[in-house]
Amino acid sequence: KAGVTQTPRYLIKTRGQQVTLSCSPISGHRSVSWYQQTPGQGLQFLFEYFSETQRNKGNFPGRFSGRQFSNSRSEMNVSTLELGDSALYLCASSLARDSALRRGANVLTFGAGSRLTVL
Amino acid sequence: AQKITQTQPGMFVQEKEAVTLDCTYDTSDPSYGLFWYKQPSSGEMIFLIYQGSYDQQNATEGRYSLNFQKARKSANLVISASQLGDSAMYFCAMREGTPSFGNEKLTFGTGTRLTIIP
Repeated sequence: KAGVTQTPRYLIKTRGQQVTLSCSPISGHRSVSWYQQTPGQGLQFLFEYFSETQRNKGNFPGRFSGRQFSNSRSEMNVSTLELGDSALYLCASSLARDSALRRGANVLTFGAGSRLTVL
Repeated sequence: AQKITQTQPGMFVQEKEAVTLDCTYDTSDPSYGLFWYKQPSSGEMIFLIYQGSYDQQNATEGRYSLNFQKARKSANLVISASQLGDSAMYFCAMREGTPSFGNEKLTFGTGTRLTIIP
């Protein structure tokens, strides 16, 4: 069973540019979440998409956006890049089951991440 | 207030010894899940073990076990017979909320860097 695939793995951009990162979830997983990881702030939740709809959003500026396609693949976009956007961006997928008994049991399976460096 | 607290920034452990990584959490949601993830230097987050708030037994997965003390709100990870390949960052995380309500989220601790010494 293929895992979560993120592309590109590494990229370098300059301030003011924009970037698009891609994530292909595990087959059958309808929920895709994005996280930003930096040495200073740790792992922070960006947003979650389910059935092409953004269902949950973290506390990030509007420069950070995303979308999900009908095949559950997701992209996130960062516009007007700042130095502080340099980070490892992790995508994760899950079944997102809503059963009351198993509400906490949705295991997130992560991809290897996209490491963005902003110069 | 921190939702997930990992008080050990780094640990050094002799190979083949057992190691306990500490994690305490804070939530008022009666239904939640606790996870441990391993992050090697390659960056990928690898799921290790899960404990549900209603689970009566402590979770175990091979060499990993979770020491769940609900009243104390702690969920420590125990790795038995440590191996060199266990050297990595370890993150404790808590999942709260309901997916269809749009408020389910996973909150991570700051992590513990574990180094296994030969």
